[in-house]
Amino acid sequence: GAGVSQSPSNKVTEKGKDVELRCDPISGHTALYWYRQSLGQGLEFLIYFQGNSAPDKSGLPSDRFSAERTGGSVSTLTIQRTQQEDSAVYLCASSFTTSGLLNEQFFGPGTRLTVL
Amino acid sequence: GESVGLHLPTLSVQEGDNSIINCAYSNSASDYFIWYKQESGKGPQFIIDIRSNMDKRQGQRVTVLLNKTVKHLSLQIAATQPGDSAVYFCADPYPWRGGYQKVTFGIGTKLQVIP
Repeated sequence: GAGVSQSPSNKVTEKGKDVELRCDPISGHTALYWYRQSLGQGLEFLIYFQGNSAPDKSGLPSDRFSAERTGGSVSTLTIQRTQQEDSAVYLCASSFTTSGLLNEQFFGPGTRLTVL
Repeated sequence: GESVGLHLPTLSVQEGDNSIINCAYSNSASDYFIWYKQESGKGPQFIIDIRSNMDKRQGQRVTVLLNKTVKHLSLQIAATQPGDSAVYFCADPYPWRGGYQKVTFGIGTKLQVIP
């Protein structure tokens, strides 16, 4: 498909385990974002990648969270030593950045993470 | 700090009626806003946007109104249909110039359409 894809769609893990969430952005999109959506909460910004620039990690809630983007395309969000409060839907979005123009973010379907 | 919030967490509307979803923002420097629709089990989807040099923008069955004086946005959906049932977010992608949108999202309003 032509949209943003994420995998897995659902992930159930035990407290203390590490998890990896994957995002495949739309081909050609240079910007990639990760968000977290907890039940009853808004979308919480986690991290932003733009081309080969250093990512903006200012939204990562703790050092247990990290993300990589390989080759300017696929991104992996890793959560180490998961805690129950990490349970949420993790959304990835990508956009084609053009200075001064509207840069609509296209969202993937999300990964629902449940930490038992 | 900056925040974007919504007045009503849930809105129930009869099919065929008009819906109005409200949003307040706190960053007076914000100059661009987006409304997203999120259906159950899906990611948010762009509906309509508005820039601060406009008071109103119309799309297909949707209208966004911006009142910069009171820092308030509204999304109006005409002739609401069952397919409009979703959570609606207003978002403040500030700053948006240069391509970097560090977006602040509101909690969202759940729109329930009663057949």
